[in-house]
Amino acid sequence: EVQLVESGGGLVQPGRSLKLSCAASGFTFSNYGMHWIRQAPTKGLEWVASISPSGGSTYYRDSVKGRFTISRDNAKSTLYLQMDSLRSEDTATYYCATGDWYFDFWGPGTMVTVSS
Amino acid sequence: DTVLTQSPALAVSPGERVSISCRASEGVNSYMHWYQQKPGQQPKLLIYKASNLASGVPARFSGSGSGTDFTLTIDPVEADDTATYFCQQSWNDPRTFGGGTKLELK
Repeated sequence: EVQLVESGGGLVQPGRSLKLSCAASGFTFSNYGMHWIRQAPTKGLEWVASISPSGGSTYYRDSVKGRFTISRDNAKSTLYLQMDSLRSEDTATYYCATGDWYFDFWGPGTMVTVSS
Repeated sequence: DTVLTQSPALAVSPGERVSISCRASEGVNSYMHWYQQKPGQQPKLLIYKASNLASGVPARFSGSGSGTDFTLTIDPVEADDTATYFCQQSWNDPRTFGGGTKLELK
């Protein structure tokens, strides 16, 4: 059974950093592209970043470029999102998901709140 | 960015047929996908590439369309289908989602 479990969320002040993790199991992690998608409270979904199966290629939405870094450790079947210079508008539930053209499986999410 | 427009809400009775629309601001070929999100849960893939049923999804769900106009159909609707439905395109960068259609049962 495919499982994705995010962790690392919490309350953080504007300008500070946070690192999210996504532990994967039930599939060959190193064969799949991975993604972070976020959802602000009572809002819609917003794609944040993607990484290729090898980790050699990464992609970001414009609003997080230069602040967020997506990475993966295929030996540990774990996906990461390093978030620096956080802003209030980054407040959201962050989901990790598998897939290429579409998002096959999603984790339950981890909440990030950016507030002073 | 490609804007995906969905109606905000629909209300239907169990046993009826419902169609949820998604219109793209520019062509997305057939690279439109649909997700179901129940309150407090993560989204779940229903339909990929416009008309392909995801694994384990009941055949009551179907998708159609190409280019800029797409439809998710549920027939017949069941009480458990109460949820918000999102469309998402992956033809143009960045990938974008629609605002969601909240389906309520009468």
